Amino acid sequence: KQEVTQIPAALSVPEGENLVLNCSFTDSAIYNLQWFRQDPGKGLTSLLLIQSSQREQTSGRLNASLDKSSGRSTLYIAASQPGDSATYLCAVSPIRSYNTDKLIFGTGTRLQVFP
Amino acid sequence: EAGVAQSPRYKIIEKRQSVAFWCNPISGHATLYWYQQILGQGPKLLIQFQNNGVVDDSQLPKDRFSAERLKGVDSTLKIQPAKLEDSAVYLCASSLGVGRLSSYEQYFGPGTRLTVT
Repeated sequence: KQEVTQIPAALSVPEGENLVLNCSFTDSAIYNLQWFRQDPGKGLTSLLLIQSSQREQTSGRLNASLDKSSGRSTLYIAASQPGDSATYLCAVSPIRSYNTDKLIFGTGTRLQVFP
Repeated sequence: EAGVAQSPRYKIIEKRQSVAFWCNPISGHATLYWYQQILGQGPKLLIQFQNNGVVDDSQLPKDRFSAERLKGVDSTLKIQPAKLEDSAVYLCASSLGVGRLSSYEQYFGPGTRLTVT
């Protein structure tokens, strides 16, 4: 059974710091991995999607890497800003499932960036 | 393009009452998902439709939850009767299609926050 874990559960940093959020999954048989952002009272916004054949994806100040063999992904946020404060969720699409479109989510990392 | 729309945004009911949520996916998206997100947890898939057919409802508590997607567009999720443990955010998402490569991104609506007292 695929399980997704995110560490740390919460993170508070001063503005300008570079930071890394971690995601690990127990079964390396995945189609892709997505990173989402969730603001309080709002839905999820997709940040980056990494296909299983890819090693990383970049969008602006965000860079996500994927190491399938070790079951890990990291989300790197450069030069953090207060507007980055949100909960960050990672999710995988499992191959070993009759429903390969299903997303299995971690519990998230709650990030606070203070001025 | 317009995003995924959901209503209502908030709902408070007493246990044993019934409630319904509505979702309108992005135009042209064949696949629609309902997720339940309990406070402090990641979303959990309840049911997935492709057009108006059910693809996966393995985690839907069928004794009290039901969902339909008539005409393959809008969808409603109903809970009857509600229990205290149903308090959660109910998220609707949609994607272009479905396939073994699972390359389609899911786009989420703002969610409906349900409180059962």
